[in-house]
Amino acid sequence: EDQVTQSPEALRLQEGESSSLNCSYTVSGLRGLFWYRQDPGKGPEFLFTLYSAGEEKEKERLKATLTKKESFLHITAPKPEDSATYLCAVQAWETSGSRLTFGEGTQLTVNP
Amino acid sequence: SAVISQKPSRDICQRGTSLTIQCQVDSQVTMMFWYRQQPGQSLTLIATANQGSEATYESGFVIDKFPISRPNLTFSTLTVSNMSPEDSSIYLCSVGNRVSYNEQFFGPGTRLTVL
Repeated sequence: EDQVTQSPEALRLQEGESSSLNCSYTVSGLRGLFWYRQDPGKGPEFLFTLYSAGEEKEKERLKATLTKKESFLHITAPKPEDSATYLCAVQAWETSGSRLTFGEGTQLTVNP
Repeated sequence: SAVISQKPSRDICQRGTSLTIQCQVDSQVTMMFWYRQQPGQSLTLIATANQGSEATYESGFVIDKFPISRPNLTFSTLTVSNMSPEDSSIYLCSVGNRVSYNEQFFGPGTRLTVL
């Protein structure tokens, strides 16, 4: 069974204080790892897809990296508008269709 | 990415009743999915809805409770039947990336409260 564990559950940062969110996963064969951002009362917004260990993707202040067991979402010099819940999900080659298995998320708060 | 809308955006229902949630996409997509997000929790896949075939349900979800229709490539409905307070959740539809079939893009969700 595919499993995704995110840590920490919640993170408070001061504006400009860089940090990282962790996503540990167990999957039989990784097809893709996905990062989403979810604001309160909204659906998840797609951020990144990572396919293989060593891969990195960047978007503005966010950088996602992938190893064989975990992924990190690095946030550099965050701003209050980066406050959201960040979700990690995996997709396995063996599962039917394109099922995503989500972690519980990290709720990020950036204070001005 | 596709533009996805859901109706209603929220509803308050009485136990024992049913609610049908609509998901509309602005372009034709092969794969559509329905997720549930219970309060304070992450997303759980209910079923995959492909046009022209029966929906495929995940373990713990059954067609009698969550019937799904997929009449064409831009529209789907999810019905929550015989509701109880435990069905209070956000229900989200998503569509698969038309090119890679990997990424999924989500609608805004329907917030359901069952009294």
